[in-house]
Amino acid sequence: DQQVKQNSPSLSVQEGRISILNCDYTNSMFDYFLWYKKYPAEGPTFLISISSIKDKNEDGRFTVFLNKSAKHLSLHIVPSQPGDSAVYFCAASARGSQGNLIFGKGTKLSVKP
Amino acid sequence: GAGVSQSPSNKVTEKGKDVELRCDPISGHTALYWYRQSLGQGLEFLIYFQGNSAPDKSGLPSDRFSAERTGGSVSTLTIQRTQQEDSAVYLCASSLRDRGYRTEAFFGQGTRLTVV
Repeated sequence: DQQVKQNSPSLSVQEGRISILNCDYTNSMFDYFLWYKKYPAEGPTFLISISSIKDKNEDGRFTVFLNKSAKHLSLHIVPSQPGDSAVYFCAASARGSQGNLIFGKGTKLSVKP
Repeated sequence: GAGVSQSPSNKVTEKGKDVELRCDPISGHTALYWYRQSLGQGLEFLIYFQGNSAPDKSGLPSDRFSAERTGGSVSTLTIQRTQQEDSAVYLCASSLRDRGYRTEAFFGQGTRLTVV
């Protein structure tokens, strides 16, 4: 049973517009959430994270929103650039010793010039 | 080194052979994770080490897979009697976890395993 779900396998956006990537989770013990970006033939690279005590975290063009009641988070990229084209993974972990990092299946973002 | 290092970067092996994949985490990181990514798939969790705690092996797909972490640093993932379905990119990551403080996990470049 998937604990972290990214229901959109792909997303296409025009350059300069907003990209919104969504993620849902089922485990109420998750309290730390992360977004990673992955280019082909490279390891994932960390983008931005959010703790469950917050509902928003912003870093430049990237903003992550967390809705704990809905068990939903989203990554907003504004403005989108062609170099943002990659696979984006949502990940979550729980407090304590069970805190392995669980990933969603990823969403492939294509930003068209 | 500054980042997570994995070796080899590529490995081609014959079906039925054993393979060992190595991961050197970032110095001082207490948590170490192994994942694999099969073609067109997401990141599949395999095993997680945290400090001196017993590892979380819940993601290992079969008893042909095992991993150890010596001295709280280097980790080796071993696949015995490899099968073609084991072909994937195996990714290692490390992070710092200490009394509730957590950092993001940093990934290595991965080992591409091809079983022929």
